[in-house]
Amino acid sequence: QKEVEQNSGPLSVPEGAIASLNCTYSDRGSQSFFWYRQYSGKSPELIMFIYSNGDKEDGRFTAQLNKASQYVSLLIRDSQPSDSATYLCAVMNRDDKIIFGKGTRLHILP
Amino acid sequence: ETGVTQTPRHLVMGMTNKKSLKCEQHLGHNAMYWYKQSAKKPLELMFVYNFKEQTENNSVPSRFSPECPNSSHLFLHLHTLQPEDSALYLCASSQGLGARTEAFFGQGTRLTVV
Repeated sequence: QKEVEQNSGPLSVPEGAIASLNCTYSDRGSQSFFWYRQYSGKSPELIMFIYSNGDKEDGRFTAQLNKASQYVSLLIRDSQPSDSATYLCAVMNRDDKIIFGKGTRLHILP
Repeated sequence: ETGVTQTPRHLVMGMTNKKSLKCEQHLGHNAMYWYKQSAKKPLELMFVYNFKEQTENNSVPSRFSPECPNSSHLFLHLHTLQPEDSALYLCASSQGLGARTEAFFGQGTRLTVV
C-alpha cells in the first residue's frame, strides 16, 4: 500500500463551482497533514495545514481531516482559473518524514 | 530574498561529470530535506538532516552524496549519474523534526543527465 494516495486526475471543475480533492494515507500514527499547490515548472507552495480532526477554513479553502478513516481532503470554493494546478497532499508520518502523494491535477474550466 | 534558495536553477551534465547542488535557507529552520520529483511520480524523499545530522537516507544510490555543513546550508554532490536521474531536485526546510511545522521549498534545480 502506497503511503499517501491521491487520484491523479485531471479533475475538471467549472469556474465558480466547488473543487474537492481527496487523499488517503497509510500510517495511522501520522500527526500533521498538508496541502501544497504546484504550478507547472514551479516548486510546491503550502496552502493549508491541519492537525486535528474536523474542518479548517482559510478563505476559499477548507481542509478536512478524519484520522479514523485516514482521510484528508481539500475543498476549494468559488473556483477560479488561477486555481488550475497540481495539488499535493503531504503527511508527516510517525517517523517525522514528510511523505507526498503523486498529486491531483485540477483544471478550472472558464 | 526568498526563504529557501537553490542554485543552479538548471543543470545539464554528462554521466562522467561531478557537480553539486546548493541549498540555503534564511528561515532559522533546523531541518533540511532533499526531494526528487520525476515525471508522473510522487515527490521522493532522499535525505533528511536535523541540526546538521543526517537522520534519513531513503535508500538513495551512492552516486548522490549529501553534505550539511550547518543548519542553513545543504549540498547534494553528484557523480557518475545516469540518464534516469534527470529530474527536478527540490530542497526544503522546516522548523524541526517532531514539530508541527510545514516544509518550505526552494525553486528547485532542473537536472538533465546526458
